[in-house]
Amino acid sequence: EIVLTQSPGTLSLSPGERATLSCRASQSVSSSYLAWYQQKPGQAPRLLIYGASSRATGIPDRFSGSGSGTDFTLTISRLEPEDFAVYYCQHYGSSFTFGQGTRLEIK
Amino acid sequence: EVQLVESGGGLIQPGGSLRLSCAASGFTVSSNYMSWVRQAPGKGLEWVSVIYSGGSTYYADSVKGRFTISRDNSKNTLYLQMNSLRAEDTAVYYCARDSGSYWGSVFYYYGMDVWGQGTTVTVSS
Repeated sequence: EIVLTQSPGTLSLSPGERATLSCRASQSVSSSYLAWYQQKPGQAPRLLIYGASSRATGIPDRFSGSGSGTDFTLTISRLEPEDFAVYYCQHYGSSFTFGQGTRLEIK
Repeated sequence: EVQLVESGGGLIQPGGSLRLSCAASGFTVSSNYMSWVRQAPGKGLEWVSVIYSGGSTYYADSVKGRFTISRDNSKNTLYLQMNSLRAEDTAVYYCARDSGSYWGSVFYYYGMDVWGQGTTVTVSS
């Protein structure tokens, strides 16, 4: 079973700064099957990125994804106040594994 | 409008059973992969189960043998039958559409693109 490990657990940044979130898989995975989600308190998750680097419908271009093999990255180029949330990576395979999440908080 | 609406959550004693429903509108449940995902209080997301468009079903090890995913095509509704409930099953349960498509024999996964609002299950005596 593939395990996804996200780092850091918490990231403290200011609006306007650049955020870099990491997702590491326990074994090599197809980038076609790697997605990222954003979740705000009291809300359902929202799909941001699929196929490691493709933005979902309606997602601003300040969000970008990259990576391959075991290492994947979600980058938010310039943080807006509404971007402070928890972010999860997810792999589609024999199971639909989620990482444990990265909390992005306002510094 | 594409939408998922869950129902059926509540307070249930350990060992009890509960059936969650997820009514879809704007798309056809049976034509898509559909998942249940849960989130325990203060914790992260945990995938629970999926039903493929062809009818195959898969489960997380934590619920295998206790939970059953199904769908009613006439009602365009997804279900999760939960038996032998435990305290650790306490969570918000979300249904989600797993978007994707086949190109020949290769499946391209586009992520869980539609989510319900969630329904809360509390297992406690």
